[in-house]
Amino acid sequence: SSELTQDPVVSVALGQTVRITCQGDSLRTYYASWYQQKPGRAPLLVMYGKNSRPSGIPDRFSGSSSGNTASLTITGTQAEDEGDYYCNSRDTSGDHVVFGGGTRLTVL
Amino acid sequence: DVQLAESGGGLAQPGGSLRLSCTASGSSFSSYEMYWVRQAPGKGLEWVSVINFSGSTMYYADSVKGRFTITRDNAKNSVYLQMNSLRPEDTAVYYCAREYYYGSGSYLSWGQGTQVTVSS
Repeated sequence: SSELTQDPVVSVALGQTVRITCQGDSLRTYYASWYQQKPGRAPLLVMYGKNSRPSGIPDRFSGSSSGNTASLTITGTQAEDEGDYYCNSRDTSGDHVVFGGGTRLTVL
Repeated sequence: DVQLAESGGGLAQPGGSLRLSCTASGSSFSSYEMYWVRQAPGKGLEWVSVINFSGSTMYYADSVKGRFTITRDNAKNSVYLQMNSLRPEDTAVYYCAREYYYGSGSYLSWGQGTQVTVSS
């Protein structure tokens, strides 16, 4: 098994750029995917693979990866981007799945 | 987009059992890995189990191994989670998820979830 580590809380001013990071050994082998979750709602896939967005996700969301760290960047952050963000990937065995602990994004 | 609908949640006593179901819309259900992920109150997401497209291979988180069993019925576009020997710490919203595209693995599309509460 392996773990993914995220900063618990990140804040950003409206309209500014924010980067949310996810660290773990499994990210040296597997790309992360990223999920946005709002209170009382199911998670929503917002980024996957090297830098791919599902249809309907605004292009202000982008992804990157280097070494053991994956990043989700929001450029020109909007108020509706506030919420919890989780990363995940396969674990180092390739059989299980791991999630990061989540980052609560606050838009000021 | 796939639509996933979970059912079967509810209140169970410690040591009891529940069976969750998840039915998927659309075609090609039998091509995709299916997952269960849970979220305890106020906590983060926790992967529970995965089953491959044919139902021949399953994996479980250590926290549920030996107590939970994942199965699927491709003729019914459904995946199930049999939960036995339930503990209060199993209390969570349980989400059914499908890999976002064939072969994508842990990139997931999600259902709306079903609440499981384990309490006496």
